[in-house]
Amino acid sequence: KAGVTQTPRYLIKTRGQQVTLSCSPISGHRSVSWYQQTPGQGLQFLFEYFSETQRNKGNFPGRFSGRQFSNSRSEMNVSTLELGDSALYLCASSLADGGLFSYNSPLHFGNGTRLTVT
Amino acid sequence: LAKTTQPISMDSYEGQEVNITCSHNNIATNDYITWYQQFPSQGPRFIIQGYKTKVTNEVASLFIPADRKSSTLSLPRVSLSDTAVYYCLVGSQQTGANNLFFGTGTRLTVIP
Repeated sequence: KAGVTQTPRYLIKTRGQQVTLSCSPISGHRSVSWYQQTPGQGLQFLFEYFSETQRNKGNFPGRFSGRQFSNSRSEMNVSTLELGDSALYLCASSLADGGLFSYNSPLHFGNGTRLTVT
Repeated sequence: LAKTTQPISMDSYEGQEVNITCSHNNIATNDYITWYQQFPSQGPRFIIQGYKTKVTNEVASLFIPADRKSSTLSLPRVSLSDTAVYYCLVGSQQTGANNLFFGTGTRLTVIP
């Protein structure tokens, strides 16, 4: 089975621009969640989508948004980029039909998109 | 909040057994414990998951005492390729977004 695929792998943007990141989950996984990882804040949860609906949301400003398509693929968008948005953005998929944290349905992560904002 | 506390870093020599302990004093009845491993510039990778007592798979063992306020990930005979950051995660189906806490993890360095 193919793993979680994230594109692009690296991205450089300028302050004020917007960016869209893509995530293809493992086949059959309907839950897709997004995370931001920085050296200072560690791994932080952004949001989770299940069957095209946002099911959980972390404490990030409205500039961070996402969506999920009928084939479970997901996109994440960050508008009006700030320098502090520079991070590794990770996507994870799981079966998790009952919630973000279902037993025997661990998170399967992609290798992330490294976003640099200059 | 089932937040977790782990040592920031650990060093070990190749071939030794490594035990990484995670404290989760506020663990809820329905919560279970999951451990992930992360290499630089890669996403975390699932290692092992458990609810109580002991769980073992082909790469690690997880020990959970009766009070479940802590858990210990045991890596037998580590090699250089086990150098990574290890995260302990606690939660259940009832875990909401605000309670999803990875913490800073434990940076394990395996020395030749």
